[in-house]
Amino acid sequence: EPEVTQTPSHQVTQMGQEVILRCVPISNHLYFYWYRQILGQKVEFLVSFYNNEISEKSEIFDDQFSVERPDGSNFTLKIRSTKLEDSAMYFCASSEGAGTEAFFGQGTRLTVV
Amino acid sequence: AQSVTQPDIHITVSEGASLELRCNYSYGATPYLFWYVQSPGQGLQLLLKYFSGDTLVQGIKGFEAEFKRSQSSFNLRKPSVHWSDAAEYFCAVGEDLSGNTPLVFGKGTRLSVIA
Repeated sequence: EPEVTQTPSHQVTQMGQEVILRCVPISNHLYFYWYRQILGQKVEFLVSFYNNEISEKSEIFDDQFSVERPDGSNFTLKIRSTKLEDSAMYFCASSEGAGTEAFFGQGTRLTVV
Repeated sequence: AQSVTQPDIHITVSEGASLELRCNYSYGATPYLFWYVQSPGQGLQLLLKYFSGDTLVQGIKGFEAEFKRSQSSFNLRKPSVHWSDAAEYFCAVGEDLSGNTPLVFGKGTRLSVIA
């Protein structure tokens, strides 16, 4: 069964460093998303991406964040200068199109120290 | 703006007992409603969804949920819980099916199952 895969599963980084979280969506999907879940809190939407551009983003997704689909298969989330409060589980998701469910990856746990 | 409330942070049930997890939403039009389950170390897996039609929807793993417009609720139920059901459960609401509008999630309910 096709699935969304995320790497790494856990990343530890120093405050101020740049991190790139990687996702491989399901191959025929057209819509891509990043969500995050701070420990003990709810899953929050960050950004959606369609047709090689951001279609919607939340207020969390400030200038420190960027997304890219560099090669037609990967979908990356970059945090330019990490802060302690960026520590969270980051989930990538993809969906085939209108009216279909989003499939989530297993998440990347980011710890900023 | 949409919002989702899951009033129970943690529920403990005995194996074999019935289960109901509560979810209330706030949205002006007919929402699209989802329940996801997150097992430890795993991603979010869709249990079931409601788009339209029959208000009682069946999902995987023996779960069902009922959409009640008058109560703005979409409670998840299972008649007999198994130990493997111990996980975090998230209710989510979507505004439309365009794929562009993100899901809004509740805070989740953690289910513990005891023997």
